[in-house]
Amino acid sequence: AQSVTQLGSHVSVSEGALVLLRCNYSSSVPPYLFWYVQYPNQGLQLLLKYTSAATLVKGINGFEAEFKKSETSFHLTKPSAHMSDAAEYFCAVTSSGTGRRALTFGSGTRLQVQP
Amino acid sequence: DGGITQSPKYLFRKEGQNVTLSCEQNLNHDAMYWYRQDPGQGLRLIYYSQIVNDFQKGDIAEGYSVSREKKESFPLTVTSAQKNPTAFYLCASSSDRGQNSPLHFGNGTRLTVT
Repeated sequence: AQSVTQLGSHVSVSEGALVLLRCNYSSSVPPYLFWYVQYPNQGLQLLLKYTSAATLVKGINGFEAEFKKSETSFHLTKPSAHMSDAAEYFCAVTSSGTGRRALTFGSGTRLQVQP
Repeated sequence: DGGITQSPKYLFRKEGQNVTLSCEQNLNHDAMYWYRQDPGQGLRLIYYSQIVNDFQKGDIAEGYSVSREKKESFPLTVTSAQKNPTAFYLCASSSDRGQNSPLHFGNGTRLTVT
């Protein structure tokens, strides 16, 4: 079985400050990990994905995430927050070798950016 | 432009009525998925289909049904047996070339049942 835990349902930062959104996963086999962003009343958009090629993954809009196997983590960061980053962010996991090819999502973290 | 179209965007129904949500994709993707989103609970998988004429139950399939008669279409029916149907429903697809194929999402249908 696989699961994802996102610590903090709400995160608030000032414009220009560091963004850190936390994600821990559980998987019995090597995972594939994803971060998605959702703006109000819209679908989800892929930010970045980890597929074992490199532990530091760069995505769109200046976001990046680092896979740490020893900590079972895949935290999302951005050096400097912009007002347009305000949205809900979801971490998701799937695993190689499982019969079910569908993502399992975390409960989401809503990011607020204060001016 | 290729993408996933969900319709309608907002849907209102009376309790006890079945309702069908539409999902169409022109990405030529093999796999399609239905997720339900509730505040604070993330996305939960209802049904998924990896190929035409085949589909599997997800984590919360009770009270829902699907069909996959065409590659580009994957409609979801919310039946009267679904005890709490009011939610935001998201359809997604993937090329299913492998486990690491990302999902492409539609813009969702918000269903309200009263």
